[in-house]
Amino acid sequence: SQQGEEDPQALSIQEGENATMNCSYKTSINNLQWYRQNSGRGLVHLILIRSNEREKHSGRLRVTLDTSKKSSSLLITASRAADTASYFCATDRAGYSTLTFGKGTMLLVSP
Amino acid sequence: KAGVTQTPRYLIKTRGQQVTLSCSPISGHRSVSWYQQTPGQGLQFLFEYFSETQRNKGNFPGRFSGRQFSNSRSEMNVSTLELGDSALYLCASSLVPTSGGAVDTQYFGPGTRLTVL
Repeated sequence: SQQGEEDPQALSIQEGENATMNCSYKTSINNLQWYRQNSGRGLVHLILIRSNEREKHSGRLRVTLDTSKKSSSLLITASRAADTASYFCATDRAGYSTLTFGKGTMLLVSP
Repeated sequence: KAGVTQTPRYLIKTRGQQVTLSCSPISGHRSVSWYQQTPGQGLQFLFEYFSETQRNKGNFPGRFSGRQFSNSRSEMNVSTLELGDSALYLCASSLVPTSGGAVDTQYFGPGTRLTVL
């Protein structure tokens, strides 16, 4: 089964609005990463947050991690049409050395 | 610096055939991982190679195999293709291999879309 589960499965917003996606996982992790995928292409790494970090920023992206709730959120501020993509969280579980992906959130940003 | 390249980008095969996919990592990256992406199962880890050795393997049948060459380029092979093997196959490279600790940032190629008829 998937380690990470994103919520919502799909999100539709207008340009300029903020988009928030959530990720929940089941077991202890070392790191949590967020990736973006445009229309069946390769994945692009967005941000990595370590288990001992609570919040991280990168440009218009803000990621939070709550290890007590085993959850993370990705906030994209001031969304643009170019942000339209699927967003995946990926975790590497403590004791394992492979990356496990969730099923992703499809984000549609309309002009 | 050039990104991860995968060839071919598209493949159409018939059931029972075999296929070989190729991946060239970012220059200097020595770890290569392979993933299968399907609408039903999402992204699933296939295997990881470092220094020509398979370090990790996902839960896939033995029909799926791979190898890595001394220049870090990697190939994966699927024998006796089944309809369910139709998927986007993604290769990712990273500077350091996964350890018992953390997984380094992975850089993905554009993928090879395999269709099995």
